[in-house]
Amino acid sequence: DAKTTQPNSMESNEEEPVHLPCNHSTISGTDYIHWYRQLPSQGPEYVIHGLTSNVNNRMASLAIAEDRKSSTLILHRATLRDAAVYYCILRSGAGSYQLTFGKGTKLSVIP
Amino acid sequence: GAGVSQTPSNKVTEKGKYVELRCDPISGHTALYWYRQSLGQGPEFLIYFQGTGAADDSGLPNDRFFAVRPEGSVSTLKIQRTERGDSAVYLCASTPTSRGEQFFGPGTRLTVL
Repeated sequence: DAKTTQPNSMESNEEEPVHLPCNHSTISGTDYIHWYRQLPSQGPEYVIHGLTSNVNNRMASLAIAEDRKSSTLILHRATLRDAAVYYCILRSGAGSYQLTFGKGTKLSVIP
Repeated sequence: GAGVSQTPSNKVTEKGKYVELRCDPISGHTALYWYRQSLGQGPEFLIYFQGTGAADDSGLPNDRFFAVRPEGSVSTLKIQRTERGDSAVYLCASTPTSRGEQFFGPGTRLTVL
């Protein structure tokens, strides 16, 4: 699977939007961009995924660059419960569909 | 409905012992994955089951690690002759289809003394 690059950590104030960046310059045409997050002492949790178009769901929005070499996860109003490690993952459209996690971005939310 | 469950939640063992870790996936999910997470790292893929068969075991670190899923539901990860380096959180995930979002369990924290 192609590699992703994320900042090690970010901070946000509560109730403000958060933009979590991810670079994936070696993405292939069949790779989907997935985001998972992991709250302390829990297993990872699916957040959102997309291929080419921007995506919205109840948890977040995913903005994908036109060349697909980068993407941004957007949390519209951060809450204390959003404090977690966020993983940006490229998942092949074929094969075993395993997730290849990096170190992710640790998001801290300040009350 | 019930999520993915894993037992035990914590397991402490001595170097050289044998351990079994159990995963109960969400009912009806055909695909099951095992991952291992060391402190400060993201989860690392171990093995993937589609139904009863191991479709991809390329992540198993060596032949001390083995996993089964005999009836296509519950899976057991087995580690022989445990080593201190095996200490980690072992995570299980299931999906209704191979391509779907993965639903993770809370993990089993294994400590090898």
